Amino acid sequence: DAGVIQSPRHEVTEMGQEVTLRCKPISGHNSLFWYRQTMMRGLELLIYFNNNVPIDDSGMPEDRFSAKMPNASFSTLKIQPSEPRDSAVYFCASSSGGQGNGSPLHFGNGTRLTVT
Amino acid sequence: AQSVSQHNHHVILSEAASLELGCNYSYGGTVNLFWYVQYPGQHLQLLLKYFSGDPLVKGIKGFEAEFIKSKFSFNLRKPSVQWSDTAEYFCAVNAHLNQGGKLIFGQGTELSVKP
Repeated sequence: DAGVIQSPRHEVTEMGQEVTLRCKPISGHNSLFWYRQTMMRGLELLIYFNNNVPIDDSGMPEDRFSAKMPNASFSTLKIQPSEPRDSAVYFCASSSGGQGNGSPLHFGNGTRLTVT
Repeated sequence: AQSVSQHNHHVILSEAASLELGCNYSYGGTVNLFWYVQYPGQHLQLLLKYFSGDPLVKGIKGFEAEFIKSKFSFNLRKPSVQWSDTAEYFCAVNAHLNQGGKLIFGQGTELSVKP
């Protein structure tokens, strides 16, 4: 089991550029989560999918953020245009959670995004 | 709305001291409870979890947590900390009405253990 795989590990970009973060969940997991971690705000849930369908995107900060899950083995989080305040570590996590069974999340190593 | 509160933002202890990190949640129904640990520069890892049964849960590395339903609490404890326990600790709650196992995390408690 390779775990949750995120790419890139680090991303440095200029303000206004488009940024795409990628995630491959653990095979067989049917829930996928995108979190953002900053010193000021801690760990924030941005969006999560269940069986490739977005269930709750209320944490997405604004329209510049979008996420897709075209199939069970791949998801993207896109920021367009990026701003310096988007600088953070973005974690993807997956679980085998069904409805309320509380399965633990398995986190990827994160993408450290720096927007200058 | 569900929320999770961790009272201590930063805790500093000497090696061999006892640890207790507070966690309270706001949800009146059935919950699953978790503690995750994030070592410096790493991703979050599961430390322990409570689903049902014995409210005293034992996890890895000598950690344990006690679920007290009447207090809506799930405090993390360790009788004797080590320098290697230096990390950030997150409490998380999953309410049974959620779909897909959505977890709500607390703000985290940074633990620094002095050798």
